[in-house]
Amino acid sequence: GENVEQHPSTLSVQEGDSAVIKCTYSDSASNYFPWYKQELGKGPQLIIDIRSNVGEKKDQRIAVTLNKTAKHFSLHITETQPEDSAVYFCAATASWGNQFYFGTGTSLTVIP
Amino acid sequence: GAVVSQHPSWVICKSGTSVKIECRSLDFQATTMFWYRQFPKQSLMLMATSNEGSKATYEQGVEKDKFLINHASLTLSTLTVTSAHPEDSSFYICSARVAGGYNEQFFGPGTRLTVL
Repeated sequence: GENVEQHPSTLSVQEGDSAVIKCTYSDSASNYFPWYKQELGKGPQLIIDIRSNVGEKKDQRIAVTLNKTAKHFSLHITETQPEDSAVYFCAATASWGNQFYFGTGTSLTVIP
Repeated sequence: GAVVSQHPSWVICKSGTSVKIECRSLDFQATTMFWYRQFPKQSLMLMATSNEGSKATYEQGVEKDKFLINHASLTLSTLTVTSAHPEDSSFYICSARVAGGYNEQFFGPGTRLTVL
């Protein structure tokens, strides 16, 4: 089955700096890669996703890049703000209907 | 759009009792819903996949007689923890996939279960 690894497990940045979280996957058949933000005591919230037919997607301060050859994808947050502090999870899945395989999560702290 | 609700948001029960958690897709139809369990500072662990009108598919190691899942309609799935014990205490989260959509899963806010 699919194996998703996520790094780093914790990340602290100064407000205004950029944050990068990286994930690798093992199954070359995976074709959908979402990123979720989870605040304490709440459910995960989809913040951005990317499909295997594109290499990069951007939504305001958030961007995701995908390298299918190397089987890794990354979340980039620019101009970080304290409200970006949360746990971020990456996931991968192959084809419609299959389960999501989640990374182990990254706890991001943005220091004011 | 794509809002998923869960009820209750938290519940405390005595050991041996059963607890039902509801998961609803509020503004879309969901042919498939998923139930996850999450321990503190850990990732999401898939418990089961439920498809409307059919039996749920449980992941290995999840007791189907203990965690009863019913997906009676395109907007509602329920998880019943039967004869709950303290080790069942956890954060339970459901997600739903939009019928006819791509492959996105939208998560509910979660239910904190504490078994005394």
